[in-house]
Amino acid sequence: DTEVTQTPKHLVMGMTNKKSLKCEQHMGHRAMYWYKQKAKKPPELMFVYSYEKLSINESVPSRFSPECPNSSLLNLHLHALQPEDSALYLCASSQDPGTGNTIYFGEGSWLTVV
Amino acid sequence: GESVGLHLPTLSVQEGDNSIINCAYSNSASDYFIWYKQESGKGPQFIIDIRSNMDKRQGQRVTVLLNKTVKHLSLQIAATQPGDSAVYFCAERRYNTDKLIFGTGTRLQVFP
Repeated sequence: DTEVTQTPKHLVMGMTNKKSLKCEQHMGHRAMYWYKQKAKKPPELMFVYSYEKLSINESVPSRFSPECPNSSLLNLHLHALQPEDSALYLCASSQDPGTGNTIYFGEGSWLTVV
Repeated sequence: GESVGLHLPTLSVQEGDNSIINCAYSNSASDYFIWYKQESGKGPQFIIDIRSNMDKRQGQRVTVLLNKTVKHLSLQIAATQPGDSAVYFCAERRYNTDKLIFGTGTRLQVFP
């Protein structure tokens, strides 16, 4: 089983709203990732969590706030977003941080900011 | 800077033919490479990976070739089927880091 589950599948939010994207995996993976993908572009790394601690932040604006409540869950809190933040947000996980294991992706959450 | 690039943005093949998707990378320190398939509206799906101590790796109908001398990676799909139509990304990961850098992607179109 290589399943990474993301909710919601689609989200429309206003620029003053606060919302969250959720990600869950039960593979025992200890590294989890958030990627952002714009149309017709490759995924771009946003954050990496290793053993529930933030290890990489790719200079992401503070209106995106990640959280890792436990080893199976990863959230992305959204506040005061801009229309240009509309994109597909992908969660991913891998077995052990820093060891070159395969990274498995979820199906993504489509975010539209109006 | 670091980059992983692809030579062709779109590849059109006839059903039953073999497909070859190419990728160039510039970071010689990278030692782990992955090919992903992404269908419309879905997340990237792992296809096959290869480490730098290998030149070739085969899966079911897919083969990945790695040429470290010229920093080139390719994905070969045998007997291409309509279900293979998607965007294919190569990705590079430096060993002992958690950063996965994606190439720009190649769209594979399979015609009957």
